[in-house]
Amino acid sequence: KAGVTQTPRYLIKTRGQQVTLSCSPISGHRSVSWYQQTPGQGLQFLFEYFSETQRNKGNFPGRFSGRQFSNSRSEMNVSTLELGDSALYLCASSATSANTEAFFGQGTRLTVV
Amino acid sequence: GIQVEQSPPDLILQEGANSTLRCNFSDSVNNLQWFHQNPWGQLINLFYIPSGTKQNGRLSATTVATERYSLLYISSSQTTDSGVYFCAVVRGDYKLSFGAGTTVTVRA
Repeated sequence: KAGVTQTPRYLIKTRGQQVTLSCSPISGHRSVSWYQQTPGQGLQFLFEYFSETQRNKGNFPGRFSGRQFSNSRSEMNVSTLELGDSALYLCASSATSANTEAFFGQGTRLTVV
Repeated sequence: GIQVEQSPPDLILQEGANSTLRCNFSDSVNNLQWFHQNPWGQLINLFYIPSGTKQNGRLSATTVATERYSLLYISSSQTTDSGVYFCAVVRGDYKLSFGAGTTVTVRA
């Protein structure tokens, strides 16, 4: 069974640009959540989707957005990139809800210059 | 929101030593997981353990939900055990709340 797949693995963007990251969950999993990891703030929750509906959102500015498609694949978008958005972005999938075990992808490392 | 505290923040071990990592959380939880972050950043699942005790090889974990803590035991440590260990909990709000992690260094 394939694991959680995140693409791309690495990205370098310029301030002011926008970026889209993709996450394909484990087959059969319907919940996808996103996390940002930085040395200063640790692992922080961005948002969670289940059956194309956002059920929870973390404390991030509106420049961070996401969506989920009918096949459970999810994308997150960051507009007007800032230097502070440089981070490792991790996606997790779980079968139904956050009460079930979550599995993470390899992450996308974003560098904003 | 729920607070998750991990201790110690750093742990240096000689190969073959045993160790215990602790995770305290501030409220009742529906889910608790332990992860090991590999050098490339991926979070590797160690245990899904909202309560009780589980063992997997040289690793074991115990969660005492009523007292709001979990312990991860590493026995006969190996250099491949080095890395950051995270505890994460869910309180019914569809998000994992992570501790700051314990950085483990195992020296040969």
